[in-house]
Amino acid sequence: QLQLQESGPGLVKPSETLSLTCTVSGGSISSSNYYWGWIRQPPGQGLEWIGNIYYSGTTYYSPSLKSRLTISVDTSKNHFSLRLTSVTAADTAVYYCASSASWAPDAFDIWGQGTMVTVSS
Amino acid sequence: QSALTQPASVSGSPGQSITISCTGTSSDVGSYNLVSWYQQHPGKAPKLMIYEVSKRPSGLSNRFSGSKSGNTASLTISGLQAEDEADYYCCSYAGSYTLVFGGGTKLTVL
Repeated sequence: QLQLQESGPGLVKPSETLSLTCTVSGGSISSSNYYWGWIRQPPGQGLEWIGNIYYSGTTYYSPSLKSRLTISVDTSKNHFSLRLTSVTAADTAVYYCASSASWAPDAFDIWGQGTMVTVSS
Repeated sequence: QSALTQPASVSGSPGQSITISCTGTSSDVGSYNLVSWYQQHPGKAPKLMIYEVSKRPSGLSNRFSGSKSGNTASLTISGLQAEDEADYYCCSYAGSYTLVFGGGTKLTVL
C-alpha cells in the first residue's frame, strides 16, 4: 500500500524559500501509474491545489504560484519535492503531498499526514 | 481561476439525506466530467469520496453519491450518520492541466 510522508522545516522567514520533501513508500516514484501532487491549507481555511508532477518530470502548476514554484522528482531517493520562493505570511499553511492514479490525475486517493509550515521572522 | 462556490455549512439529522452543491463556471465544472469530492475530519488529511463526478473509490459506502448539472456539481449523503460530520471539499479540473478546489462545506449531524 502506497504511503506518503512530508518533511521539512516548520518555520521559514519571510522572503526566504520554503522547501518540502514527500517520501514515497510502498511503491516506486518512477512508476507510470501515479501522479504526485502538493496541496496546502491555511489555518482555518480551505484546500488549495499547488501543483502536480509525473514520473517523467512533467509538471503542472497553479497559475497563482507558478512564478515562485518548482516541483521536482528524485528517483534515487524515491521522493518528490516542493520549492516555493519569496514566501510571505500568506504561505503559512499545512502542506500535504498526495498521489493520484495516472488514469485519474485529478483525484488524489493517497495523502500524507500533512506538515505545518509557518512563515514568520 | 477562482475557487468553486460551496455553501459554508449544511446540517441534517441521522438517517436523513443531505446535498452539498459546488458551483463553478463553464471553464471548469461545466466543461469537464472531472469533479471530485473530499471529506476532511478535524486535524486529518482529506479523503477521496467521489471522482469523475459520480464514481466511488473501491470500498467506499454507497451512501455517498455525486452528480452534475451544468456548472454545478453535487454530493449527496444518504442515511446520514454521526461519523459523516466533517468538512467536504469539491475539486474540478479547470483546463490547462490545472485544478481548483471549492471553499469547503461544514456538515453538522444534529
